[in-house]
Amino acid sequence: KQEVTQIPAALSVPEGENLVLNCSFTDSAIYNLQWFRQDPGKGLTSLLLIQSSQREQTSGRLNASLDKSSGRSTLYIAASQPGDSATYLCAVPARSGTYKYIFGTGTRLKVLA
Amino acid sequence: NAGVTQTPKFQVLKTGQSMTLQCAQDMNHNSMYWYRQDPGMGLRLIYYSASEGTTDKGEVPNGYNVSRLNKREFSLRLESAAPSQTSVYFCASSDSGGYNEQFFGPGTRLTVL
Repeated sequence: KQEVTQIPAALSVPEGENLVLNCSFTDSAIYNLQWFRQDPGKGLTSLLLIQSSQREQTSGRLNASLDKSSGRSTLYIAASQPGDSATYLCAVPARSGTYKYIFGTGTRLKVLA
Repeated sequence: NAGVTQTPKFQVLKTGQSMTLQCAQDMNHNSMYWYRQDPGMGLRLIYYSASEGTTDKGEVPNGYNVSRLNKREFSLRLESAAPSQTSVYFCASSDSGGYNEQFFGPGTRLTVL
């Protein structure tokens, strides 16, 4: 059964710091992994989708990597800003060929001005 | 484009009452999903519709029913609400199953007294 873990659950950093968020999954037979951002009281915003054939994906100051063999993905945020404060979630398919996604419980990030 | 829209935004029910949560997307996506989000539990899939005319159970379907009214609309019905169904409900859509990004609506915050 696929399980997704995000550690740490919460993180506070000073503005300008580069940081890494982690996502681990137990079944490496995934065909993609998606990172989301969720602001308090809001829905999820898609940040990056990495296909299984890719090792990384970039969007602006965000870079997500995927290592299927080790069951890990990282989301790198460069030069963090207070506006980056949010909860970041990752999601992977429950198993190959399925429409069911398993979400991590997220990392709550606070960037201090 | 409005993306994924949900109504209502907030709802308070008494135990035993029924209600329908509405979801619509204007991205011409084939697949649609209903999730619930609870503190410490993350997002869990309730039902999904891989394509117009099909629906399938997710991880936590008990107490819910769904209808894929047409390609745009996917509704979630609580026939007899229970306090355990107090949660935030999110609708999502994607182009075709798990191979593409999921896009989320803003959510419905439901309280059952």
